Amino acid sequence: GAGVSQTPSNKVTEKGKYVELRCDPISGHTALYWYRQSLGQGPEFLIYFQGTGAADDSGLPNDRFFAVRPEGSVSTLKIQRTERGDSAVYLCASSPYRQGRIEQFFGPGTRLTVL
Amino acid sequence: GEDVEQSLFLSVREGDSSVINCTYTDSSSTYLYWYKQEPGAGLQLLTYIFSNMDMKQDQRLTVLLNKKDKHLSLRIADTQTGDSAIYFCAESSVDNAGNMLTFGGGTRLMVKP
Repeated sequence: GAGVSQTPSNKVTEKGKYVELRCDPISGHTALYWYRQSLGQGPEFLIYFQGTGAADDSGLPNDRFFAVRPEGSVSTLKIQRTERGDSAVYLCASSPYRQGRIEQFFGPGTRLTVL
Repeated sequence: GEDVEQSLFLSVREGDSSVINCTYTDSSSTYLYWYKQEPGAGLQLLTYIFSNMDMKQDQRLTVLLNKKDKHLSLRIADTQTGDSAIYFCAESSVDNAGNMLTFGGGTRLMVKP
């Protein structure tokens, strides 16, 4: 079946602009996660959704970052007033259940470059 | 907070065994994972182990967990050139209702023919 998809695969923007990154999880997966991977580092947690609600947003670095999942499926990560330090690969993952099934399935990521 | 550490680089010859090591600090870690990342590709879950186990074997992969020392290792038998990638260790905790993962910095495995 189809895996997690993310669009766009690459996004180049200028400092100060607004960007939206989209994640389509595996159908039926109720849990959705966003991670950020900077060059040469491991992914870092940003936010977790269970259904439509953001169950944990403790990883968001500041209030320029926001994410939604209005219908409990597709999620959008929104970054306002982008800064050069926001350049990274943004990864989305989905999982079947909140607990009990622990595997997270990752998408290919969106590479964001802020000039 | 939680911390997961890995060595940066490992080089082996094709056919040899590779051992990638990881240490973690969170004593409440419940699940420990190994992910593989190839250039331009997403993270692929290779295997995971519950903290109440000390070993798990899956084909060419063997995971060893020393919970006392908070040390996790991944052994790849008969390493092939296709195993060249970055390997990430990750943990999650029973205290973490959302099962969010904390990753190490990754170990780049290079397999020489």
